[in-house]
Amino acid sequence: GAGVSQSPSNKVTEKGKDVELRCDPISGHTALYWYRQSLGQGLEFLIYFQGNSAPDKSGLPSDRFSAERTGGSVSTLTIQRTQQEDSAVYLCASSTRTSGFTDTQYFGPGTRLTVL
Amino acid sequence: AQSVTQLGSHVSVSEGALVLLRCNYSSSVPPYLFWYVQYPNQGLQLLLKYTSAATLVKGINGFEAEFKKSETSFHLTKPSAHMSDAAEYFCAVRDNYGQNFVFGPGTRLSVLP
Repeated sequence: GAGVSQSPSNKVTEKGKDVELRCDPISGHTALYWYRQSLGQGLEFLIYFQGNSAPDKSGLPSDRFSAERTGGSVSTLTIQRTQQEDSAVYLCASSTRTSGFTDTQYFGPGTRLTVL
Repeated sequence: AQSVTQLGSHVSVSEGALVLLRCNYSSSVPPYLFWYVQYPNQGLQLLLKYTSAATLVKGINGFEAEFKKSETSFHLTKPSAHMSDAAEYFCAVRDNYGQNFVFGPGTRLSVLP
């Protein structure tokens, strides 16, 4: 299908290791969002990309977290020196970003990260 | 800063009964409001959204929500629950300066036979 895809679907890593999570948005969608969903909690905004504008990084919890979006399409979320509290489902969403701010976000299936 | 509260982290209803999931928001400007559903082991899907066109919004699967400015609420309802409605429901808000969305903590709906 033509939905948002994320890889890997599951990632188990050891504390202190770096991980990279990938998001492929829907073709043509200019906006891309990363969220974190911890067990029993809601979605926590991490970072937002819109076209060629500087990303909104206000949700990143620490400097161990970073993200980039190459060519306005694929995005990679990197977590350095992972900690056990980083264990969560990381969700990516994309949208067309209409002028009325009413765009619908389309979510990927998520990457479940487990830090041992 | 915007915030969203969802009263009741877990709601149980009998099949065929009314579903009412509560959402209240805080925003200094008229917001845009969304309800998303997350079925087990699936990604989030949009149920419906309020964009200021009409206060009563109809969504998929028989759900609807009413925007009440005086109560700063956007509660989700469905007249008759179905077993397939069992899922996690998230309310989200975005203001018209909107960069990102703010999601509520979610309400898990269980439907009992």
